[in-house]
Amino acid sequence: QKEVEQDPGPLSVPEGAIVSLNCTYSNSAFQYFMWYRQYSRKGPELLMYTYSSGNKEDGRFTAQVDKSSKYISLFIRDSQPSDSATYLCAMRWWGGAQKLVFGQGTRLTINP
Amino acid sequence: KAGVTQTPRYLIKTRGQQVTLSCSPISGHRSVSWYQQTPGQGLQFLFEYFSETQRNKGNFPGRFSGRQFSNSRSEMNVSTLELGDSALYLCASSLGSGDTEAFFGQGTRLTVV
Repeated sequence: QKEVEQDPGPLSVPEGAIVSLNCTYSNSAFQYFMWYRQYSRKGPELLMYTYSSGNKEDGRFTAQVDKSSKYISLFIRDSQPSDSATYLCAMRWWGGAQKLVFGQGTRLTINP
Repeated sequence: KAGVTQTPRYLIKTRGQQVTLSCSPISGHRSVSWYQQTPGQGLQFLFEYFSETQRNKGNFPGRFSGRQFSNSRSEMNVSTLELGDSALYLCASSLGSGDTEAFFGQGTRLTVV
């Protein structure tokens, strides 16, 4: 069993829809949670990070963490065709080195 | 402010050869991590360097090695290349080893034939 599970999709939604992307994890030692967006042939771009349970909002993006259920989500409101990309969740332990454990990534397409 | 720079962007090598990839972190960043990305395994951690010292290492064979220089630039070396080493190699830069935000470069696409 992988430490971080993420549905690879693909996920296809119409423009303007609310998108929900999710990851589950098994290691309760994970304390920092991140979402990256990766366009084709590019490196991952950091979208959101959080270290506490609850919601964090940044523009059209909301990251949600539920440590009791070991479940994290990223919501995208008013989705745009430019949001079409692969979304990766990542997490790491408190302190120590910068070792990120990634989910498999969800490929998202927003249709005009 | 310049981002993370990885060179070269593309590389084709033959089985058995060795290869060296380079990463220049964001100015002022002292931590550099390396990841391998493949369609089957996704993004996997290779190792991290901070202040010229390897802080952590992933589950990769000893053919994969790295180093960091005093200016924080880092190199990754893969010896005796195998077909399975074909992947996108990504470098991530962080201000400090415990800093949360890691910024990635564009990656080096390595193809082993």
